[in-house]
Amino acid sequence: DGGITQSPKYLFRKEGQNVTLSCEQNLNHDAMYWYRQDPGQGLRLIYYSQIVNDFQKGDIAEGYSVSREKKESFPLTVTSAQKNPTAFYLCASSIVGFRSPYEQYFGPGTRLTVT
Amino acid sequence: SQELEQSPQSLIVQEGKNLTINCTSSKTLYGLYWYKQKYGEGLIFLMMLQKGGEEKSHEKITAKLDEKKQQSSLHITASQPSHAGIYLCGADKLAGSSNTGKLIFGQGTTLQVKP
Repeated sequence: DGGITQSPKYLFRKEGQNVTLSCEQNLNHDAMYWYRQDPGQGLRLIYYSQIVNDFQKGDIAEGYSVSREKKESFPLTVTSAQKNPTAFYLCASSIVGFRSPYEQYFGPGTRLTVT
Repeated sequence: SQELEQSPQSLIVQEGKNLTINCTSSKTLYGLYWYKQKYGEGLIFLMMLQKGGEEKSHEKITAKLDEKKQQSSLHITASQPSHAGIYLCGADKLAGSSNTGKLIFGQGTTLQVKP
């Protein structure tokens, strides 16, 4: 079955440590996205990539880094510089085009807790 | 900047009752998406609306986009416990006249359906 996988489901880290969240898709989508969701809030865009080896900052990129070395993979690193890293992180992907808007498909999410 | 406002923030209805969730934009919408989310899980795509006056239905859920393309509503007929969850609207963030692929989201509406 085609889809997006995120691992792990739950992640616990000590303050000051970097942590990398995995996102893999087998939908053959060119674009991939990382969002952060906090309680009672909608999703906020962290980073997105529309093609391999290229990515752009979203609205809240500070304290995060990404890479896009392969089409199917878009890992997110939460660095120690991120002041409030505890949140639910969602990865998404979509096709890329210029004619119509395209829906994004989401993974199951990773809940990160930093203490 | 473009914002999406959802109302109500939360809703509790008796099973079998109809309900409506609204999503209002401060700017004209290019593409409007409705997603459903179970707590702690990823988003499930419901519907996308693009044209003014457009209406789409899936099972007992109907979504409409007004003629001015600044407001959308999601209507559930004869609600069931399976409809419970968080409903989020999302919209394309436009850069000039082209679709960037970036989405902004409303804060979500939490729906509880009492048996």
